Amino acid sequence: NAGVTQTPKFQVLKTGQSMTLQCAQDMNHNSMYWYRQDPGMGLRLIYYSASEGTTDKGEVPNGYNVSRLNKREFSLRLESAAPSQTSVYFCASSSQGLKQPQHFGDGTRLSIL
Amino acid sequence: QQQVKQSPQSLIVQKGGISIINCAYENTAFDYFPWYQQFPGKGPALLIAIRPDVSEKKEGRFTISFNKSAKQFSLHIMDSQPGDSATYFCAASFTDKLIFGTGTRLQVFP
Repeated sequence: NAGVTQTPKFQVLKTGQSMTLQCAQDMNHNSMYWYRQDPGMGLRLIYYSASEGTTDKGEVPNGYNVSRLNKREFSLRLESAAPSQTSVYFCASSSQGLKQPQHFGDGTRLSIL
Repeated sequence: QQQVKQSPQSLIVQKGGISIINCAYENTAFDYFPWYQQFPGKGPALLIAIRPDVSEKKEGRFTISFNKSAKQFSLHIMDSQPGDSATYFCAASFTDKLIFGTGTRLQVFP
């Protein structure tokens, strides 16, 4: 059972470059989430998709866009990367909503120079 | 009012001891309180969760104590083991919000 798969695992970008982080889940979950994790700040929700076809902003959405491609896949795009977006990004999924156990991927470590 | 304050930042415990991590919140609308465990290089994994209609929940060596009037909740790890060494996050949720604490790094020495 793969669970939640994130690609890539590591990435280095230059300021101003764009990239898309990919996430796929094989648990038939309805809800999917993108978080960033920074030292001393815990996890902060960037965007979420409560169900296929819907997306909503979380706590820190500025500088990001998302696409819920289908029930399995939820991508996060940085249009013009900034050093402040250096972080570890986690994708998660749950059967329905935030009060169900969230299953996390192993993260994408992103450095922006 | 949407913060969840977690302490301590780090904790060192001897094998067999009790590890205690505390969290406090302000927003009384929070109605779901999970704890997540994270090992280095991995994503967080749900450990145990509680809703405010109960004061305690136990699963094996892990217990959540919940004090609704004080707006505090804590994780107790009994008989702590070296394999419990990880970072622990408390969180609180209402409607479409899930707010995480800043994490506690637990080290259990043999």
